[in-house]
Amino acid sequence: GENVEQHPSTLSVQEGDSAVIKCTYSDSASNYFPWYKQELGKGPQLIIDIRSNVGEKKDQRIAVTLNKTAKHFSLHITETQPEDSAVYFCASGASNYQLIWGAGTKLIIKP
Amino acid sequence: DTAVSQTPKYLVTQMGNDKSIKCEQNLGHDTMYWYKQDSKKFLKIMFSYNNKELIINETVPNRFSPKSPDKAHLNLHINSLELGDSAVYFCASSQVGGMNTGELFFGEGSRLTVL
Repeated sequence: GENVEQHPSTLSVQEGDSAVIKCTYSDSASNYFPWYKQELGKGPQLIIDIRSNVGEKKDQRIAVTLNKTAKHFSLHITETQPEDSAVYFCASGASNYQLIWGAGTKLIIKP
Repeated sequence: DTAVSQTPKYLVTQMGNDKSIKCEQNLGHDTMYWYKQDSKKFLKIMFSYNNKELIINETVPNRFSPKSPDKAHLNLHINSLELGDSAVYFCASSQVGGMNTGELFFGEGSRLTVL
């Protein structure tokens, strides 16, 4: 079946450094790629998304890049802060309502 | 005012019991979902309703039965609870479904523990 692979499963970075999380999808029909952040004890929340007609999108300290040929997309967080500590999920959307989710990355920001 | 609210937040029960989790959204969305998140944080969709009509029904035991009395509510009833049902269950809603996948708004989750 279709799947999304997400790496790494855990990422520890020094406060102020950058963090990069990568995902690979298998469904060529996917055209929507959101990233969700889940803080402890809460539900996931959308932080940024990208559609297949765009290669890169930025929102302040976060950015997402998409390589449709290679079926890769990545989340970049610059100047990391303690509040960036959370679990991050990538997902890909095909034409059937349903998002296919990555397994999540636990991001730890070290002070 | 909470956009997607689900109750109860915590539920501890014995194997074999029947329990329900309720969800309400005040965003005016047409589509609602139930997700299960296991101990490894993996998110798995269980059901999706669009305007009270079931549109996604993943491979979930028939002990799980969703009910949508109106498009603002999607409840989850679980019969004959098993140890493996222990997880956090998330309700979510979105404005756009079908060919266009819209932002999901999640509730805060209901942690179910089966003893």
